[in-house]
Amino acid sequence: AAGVIQSPRHLIKEKRETATLKCYPIPRHDTVYWYQQGPGQDPQFLISFYEKMQSDKGSIPDRFSAQQFSDYHSELNMSSLELGDSALYFCASSSLGGGRSDTQYFGPGTRLTVL
Amino acid sequence: DQQVKQNSPSLSVQEGRISILNCDYTNSMFDYFLWYKKYPAEGPTFLISISSIKDKNEDGRFTVFLNKSAKHLSLHIVPSQPGDSAVYFCAAYPNYGGVTNKLIFGTGTLLAVQP
Repeated sequence: AAGVIQSPRHLIKEKRETATLKCYPIPRHDTVYWYQQGPGQDPQFLISFYEKMQSDKGSIPDRFSAQQFSDYHSELNMSSLELGDSALYFCASSSLGGGRSDTQYFGPGTRLTVL
Repeated sequence: DQQVKQNSPSLSVQEGRISILNCDYTNSMFDYFLWYKKYPAEGPTFLISISSIKDKNEDGRFTVFLNKSAKHLSLHIVPSQPGDSAVYFCAAYPNYGGVTNKLIFGTGTLLAVQP
């Protein structure tokens, strides 16, 4: 079965640079979520989109922005990168509009390293 | 403030025996719970879920038990297999009366199944 696709899988950037992470949800899934997992930490919710509209927002820095496109893929844009942004970034998708009892399926993640 | 807690950072079990992973939560608004398994360098993989209206859900070798009064849930794996060795995350959806998106994750338990 098709899974969530994330690209790139690994990304190395310098401080103050920008980065764009991409997420392609499972076909026919309409909701996309972004999570950040720091070293030794649990995944933390950043932001989600349902039908191309932002549906919920978590602890996402103002330096980050995201959107969902007409084909349901999503991009997370990160500017003025800081060392503390180094983490695994997971995208997940679901098919029930992100309501309660919705199962989120995760992609393999993008490992961002900021030097 | 960690709302979902997995107090055992690691667990070692012999192949064929039962693995019991525990999870406690503090927020009484949580009403749907999920377990994910995560291998290194991969995204979390959904295992099993349970609604707060149930106290047990079973799927093959995996059974999740929910004790609402104690705000405690557990994942039982029987029989345990070496391929089950991974980090297991407990996660919860809060019910704030509307559509909710974000999963709240526990800190994870590293399960090692010894051959």
